[in-house]
Amino acid sequence: SAVISQKPSRDICQRGTSLTIQCQVDSQVTMMFWYRQQPGQSLTLIATANQGSEATYESGFVIDKFPISRPNLTFSTLTVSNMSPEDSSIYLCSVWKDSGANVLTFGAGSRLTVL
Amino acid sequence: QQQVKQSPQSLIVQKGGISIINCAYENTAFDYFPWYQQFPGKGPALLIAIRPDVSEKKEGRFTISFNKSAKQFSLHIMDSQPGDSATYFCAGTYNFNKFYFGSGTKLNVKP
Repeated sequence: SAVISQKPSRDICQRGTSLTIQCQVDSQVTMMFWYRQQPGQSLTLIATANQGSEATYESGFVIDKFPISRPNLTFSTLTVSNMSPEDSSIYLCSVWKDSGANVLTFGAGSRLTVL
Repeated sequence: QQQVKQSPQSLIVQKGGISIINCAYENTAFDYFPWYQQFPGKGPALLIAIRPDVSEKKEGRFTISFNKSAKQFSLHIMDSQPGDSATYFCAGTYNFNKFYFGSGTKLNVKP
Protein backbone atom coordinates (compact mmCIF):
# COMPACT_ATOMS: atom_id res chain seq x y z
CA SER A 1 0.00 0.00 0.00
CA ALA A 2 1.00 3.64 -0.40
CA VAL A 3 3.15 5.43 2.18
CA ILE A 4 1.95 8.88 3.16
CA SER A 5 3.98 11.69 4.70
CA GLN A 6 2.03 14.49 6.30
CA LYS A 7 3.46 17.77 7.51
CA PRO A 8 3.29 19.31 10.02
CA SER A 9 2.55 16.51 12.47
CA ARG A 10 1.29 19.04 14.96
CA ASP A 11 1.08 22.79 15.37
CA ILE A 12 -0.27 25.42 17.72
CA CYS A 13 -1.83 28.34 15.91
CA GLN A 14 -3.30 31.70 16.80
CA ARG A 15 -6.91 32.55 16.12
CA GLY A 16 -7.40 34.23 12.74
CA THR A 17 -4.33 32.75 11.08
CA SER A 18 -4.17 30.10 8.37
CA LEU A 19 -2.16 26.91 8.17
CA THR A 20 -1.36 24.68 5.22
CA ILE A 21 -0.96 20.93 5.67
CA GLN A 22 0.99 18.96 3.11
CA CYS A 23 0.41 15.37 2.04
CA GLN A 24 3.06 13.56 0.01
CA VAL A 25 2.56 10.00 -1.25
CA ASP A 26 5.37 7.71 -2.35
CA SER A 27 3.53 6.61 -5.49
CA GLN A 28 0.81 7.80 -7.83
CA VAL A 29 -2.65 7.30 -6.41
CA THR A 30 -6.10 7.42 -7.90
CA MET A 31 -7.87 9.39 -5.22
CA MET A 32 -6.82 11.63 -2.35
CA PHE A 33 -9.09 12.65 0.50
CA TRP A 34 -8.94 14.96 3.49
CA TYR A 35 -10.63 13.95 6.73
CA ARG A 36 -11.12 15.69 10.04
CA GLN A 37 -11.12 13.84 13.33
CA GLN A 38 -12.14 15.85 16.35
CA PRO A 39 -10.95 14.58 19.75
CA GLY A 40 -12.52 11.24 20.51
CA GLN A 41 -14.71 11.45 17.45
CA SER A 42 -15.10 9.67 14.15
CA LEU A 43 -13.63 10.50 10.77
CA THR A 44 -15.47 13.17 8.81
CA LEU A 45 -14.73 13.60 5.13
CA ILE A 46 -13.92 17.22 4.28
CA ALA A 47 -13.32 16.85 0.56
CA THR A 48 -11.95 14.80 -2.28
CA ALA A 49 -8.86 16.39 -3.80
CA ASN A 50 -9.06 16.26 -7.58
CA GLN A 51 -5.92 16.43 -9.64
CA GLY A 52 -5.81 19.59 -11.72
CA SER A 53 -9.28 20.78 -10.79
CA GLU A 54 -11.29 22.08 -7.85
CA ALA A 55 -11.82 19.77 -4.91
CA THR A 56 -15.22 18.22 -4.22
CA TYR A 57 -16.44 19.34 -0.81
CA GLU A 58 -18.81 17.55 1.51
CA SER A 59 -21.81 19.20 3.05
CA GLY A 60 -20.76 21.65 5.74
CA PHE A 61 -17.30 22.32 4.30
CA VAL A 62 -16.54 25.18 1.90
CA ILE A 63 -13.61 26.11 -0.29
CA ASP A 64 -13.08 29.50 1.33
CA LYS A 65 -12.46 27.85 4.69
CA PHE A 66 -10.63 24.74 3.48
CA PRO A 67 -8.91 25.43 0.16
CA ILE A 68 -7.34 22.31 -1.29
CA SER A 69 -4.79 21.83 -4.03
CA ARG A 70 -3.70 18.71 -5.85
CA PRO A 71 -1.18 19.64 -8.53
CA ASN A 72 -0.22 16.04 -9.36
CA LEU A 73 -0.98 12.42 -8.52
CA THR A 74 1.27 12.27 -5.45
CA PHE A 75 0.79 15.56 -3.60
CA SER A 76 -2.00 17.58 -2.03
CA THR A 77 -2.38 20.43 0.42
CA LEU A 78 -5.18 21.44 2.75
CA THR A 79 -5.32 24.95 4.15
CA VAL A 80 -7.35 25.75 7.23
CA SER A 81 -8.17 29.44 6.88
CA ASN A 82 -9.00 32.08 9.45
CA MET A 83 -8.78 29.54 12.23
CA SER A 84 -10.86 29.54 15.38
CA PRO A 85 -10.62 27.25 18.43
CA GLU A 86 -13.40 25.13 16.87
CA ASP A 87 -10.92 24.15 14.15
CA SER A 88 -8.72 22.39 16.71
CA SER A 89 -8.67 18.87 15.39
CA ILE A 90 -6.65 16.18 13.68
CA TYR A 91 -6.58 16.49 9.91
CA LEU A 92 -5.87 13.31 8.01
CA CYS A 93 -4.82 12.79 4.43
CA SER A 94 -5.91 9.51 2.91
CA VAL A 95 -5.40 7.91 -0.48
CA TRP A 96 -6.89 5.13 -2.53
CA LYS A 97 -5.03 3.39 -5.28
CA ASP A 98 -6.85 1.58 -8.06
CA SER A 99 -4.39 -1.28 -8.02
CA GLY A 100 -6.61 -4.14 -6.94
CA ALA A 101 -5.58 -3.92 -3.30
CA ASN A 102 -8.60 -1.73 -2.54
CA VAL A 103 -7.09 -0.16 0.55
CA LEU A 104 -7.86 3.32 1.82
CA THR A 105 -4.58 4.35 3.43
CA PHE A 106 -4.25 7.14 5.98
CA GLY A 107 -1.39 9.40 6.93
CA ALA A 108 -0.48 9.85 10.58
CA GLY A 109 -2.44 13.08 10.74
CA SER A 110 -1.75 16.71 11.62
CA ARG A 111 -2.91 17.74 15.08
CA LEU A 112 -3.85 21.43 15.13
CA THR A 113 -4.52 23.40 18.27
CA VAL A 114 -5.96 26.88 17.83
CA LEU A 115 -5.63 29.28 20.74
CA GLN B 1 -28.15 10.90 8.05
CA GLN B 2 -25.56 8.64 9.60
CA GLN B 3 -24.81 5.95 7.05
CA VAL B 4 -22.99 3.61 9.44
CA LYS B 5 -23.90 3.22 13.12
CA GLN B 6 -21.42 1.63 15.48
CA SER B 7 -21.68 0.31 19.02
CA PRO B 8 -20.57 0.21 21.74
CA GLN B 9 -18.74 3.50 22.15
CA SER B 10 -16.28 1.88 24.54
CA LEU B 11 -15.48 -1.66 25.58
CA ILE B 12 -13.44 -3.19 28.36
CA VAL B 13 -12.39 -6.81 27.98
CA GLN B 14 -10.13 -9.03 30.04
CA LYS B 15 -7.05 -10.48 28.41
CA GLY B 16 -7.98 -13.67 26.60
CA GLY B 17 -11.61 -12.68 26.23
CA ILE B 18 -13.64 -11.99 23.10
CA SER B 19 -14.21 -8.41 21.97
CA ILE B 20 -17.29 -7.78 19.84
CA ILE B 21 -18.06 -4.53 18.02
CA ASN B 22 -21.24 -4.10 16.03
CA CYS B 23 -22.13 -1.94 13.04
CA ALA B 24 -25.29 -1.35 11.06
CA TYR B 25 -25.53 0.36 7.69
CA GLU B 26 -28.27 2.10 5.75
CA ASN B 27 -27.13 2.10 2.16
CA THR B 28 -27.77 -1.22 0.41
CA ALA B 29 -25.47 -0.09 -2.41
CA PHE B 30 -22.44 -0.48 -0.17
CA ASP B 31 -20.20 -3.17 -1.61
CA TYR B 32 -17.20 -3.14 0.70
CA PHE B 33 -17.00 -3.02 4.48
CA PRO B 34 -13.59 -2.43 6.07
CA TRP B 35 -12.59 -2.25 9.71
CA TYR B 36 -9.85 0.15 10.74
CA GLN B 37 -7.68 0.12 13.87
CA GLN B 38 -6.26 3.35 15.25
CA PHE B 39 -3.65 3.72 17.96
CA PRO B 40 -3.14 7.06 19.74
CA GLY B 41 -1.15 9.48 17.63
CA LYS B 42 -1.43 7.34 14.52
CA GLY B 43 -3.68 7.33 11.49
CA PRO B 44 -6.25 4.55 11.10
CA ALA B 45 -4.93 1.37 9.49
CA LEU B 46 -6.92 -1.27 7.64
CA LEU B 47 -7.43 -4.34 9.82
CA ILE B 48 -9.79 -6.56 7.84
CA ALA B 49 -12.52 -6.11 5.25
CA ILE B 50 -15.43 -8.02 3.74
CA ARG B 51 -17.71 -7.88 0.72
CA PRO B 52 -21.47 -8.44 1.11
CA ASP B 53 -21.45 -11.72 -0.82
CA VAL B 54 -19.56 -13.38 2.04
CA SER B 55 -21.03 -14.08 5.48
CA GLU B 56 -17.78 -14.39 7.36
CA LYS B 57 -14.10 -13.59 6.96
CA LYS B 58 -11.37 -14.58 9.34
CA GLU B 59 -7.80 -13.36 9.54
CA GLY B 60 -5.92 -14.67 12.53
CA ARG B 61 -7.74 -13.62 15.70
CA PHE B 62 -9.98 -11.17 13.82
CA THR B 63 -13.28 -12.22 12.27
CA ILE B 64 -15.96 -10.21 10.49
CA SER B 65 -19.48 -11.62 10.58
CA PHE B 66 -21.81 -10.17 7.95
CA ASN B 67 -25.62 -10.32 7.85
CA LYS B 68 -26.81 -8.82 4.59
CA SER B 69 -30.54 -9.17 5.28
CA ALA B 70 -30.19 -7.35 8.59
CA LYS B 71 -27.71 -4.83 7.16
CA GLN B 72 -25.37 -5.53 10.06
CA PHE B 73 -21.79 -6.63 10.47
CA SER B 74 -19.54 -7.16 13.43
CA LEU B 75 -15.90 -7.52 14.36
CA HIS B 76 -14.88 -10.29 16.73
CA ILE B 77 -11.45 -10.27 18.32
CA MET B 78 -10.66 -13.65 19.81
CA ASP B 79 -8.15 -14.09 22.64
CA SER B 80 -7.98 -10.30 23.07
CA GLN B 81 -4.57 -8.95 24.07
CA PRO B 82 -3.50 -5.68 25.73
CA GLY B 83 -1.83 -4.78 22.41
CA ASP B 84 -5.29 -4.80 20.81
CA SER B 85 -6.23 -1.76 22.92
CA ALA B 86 -7.08 0.86 20.30
CA THR B 87 -10.01 2.59 18.67
CA TYR B 88 -11.82 0.59 16.01
CA PHE B 89 -13.86 2.06 13.16
CA CYS B 90 -16.17 0.23 10.81
CA ALA B 91 -16.96 1.70 7.42
CA GLY B 92 -18.96 1.19 4.27
CA THR B 93 -18.36 2.29 0.71
CA TYR B 94 -19.65 1.75 -2.82
CA ASN B 95 -17.26 1.69 -5.73
CA PHE B 96 -14.56 2.96 -3.35
CA ASN B 97 -15.84 6.42 -4.14
CA LYS B 98 -16.50 7.61 -0.63
CA PHE B 99 -15.99 5.87 2.70
CA TYR B 100 -18.53 6.36 5.49
CA PHE B 101 -17.17 5.65 8.95
CA GLY B 102 -18.88 4.60 12.15
CA SER B 103 -18.44 6.61 15.32
CA GLY B 104 -15.66 4.40 16.67
CA THR B 105 -15.22 2.00 19.59
CA LYS B 106 -12.48 2.47 22.11
CA LEU B 107 -11.31 -0.97 23.23
CA ASN B 108 -9.36 -1.47 26.44
CA VAL B 109 -8.01 -4.95 27.07
CA LYS B 110 -7.10 -5.41 30.73
CA PRO B 111 -4.04 -7.55 31.48
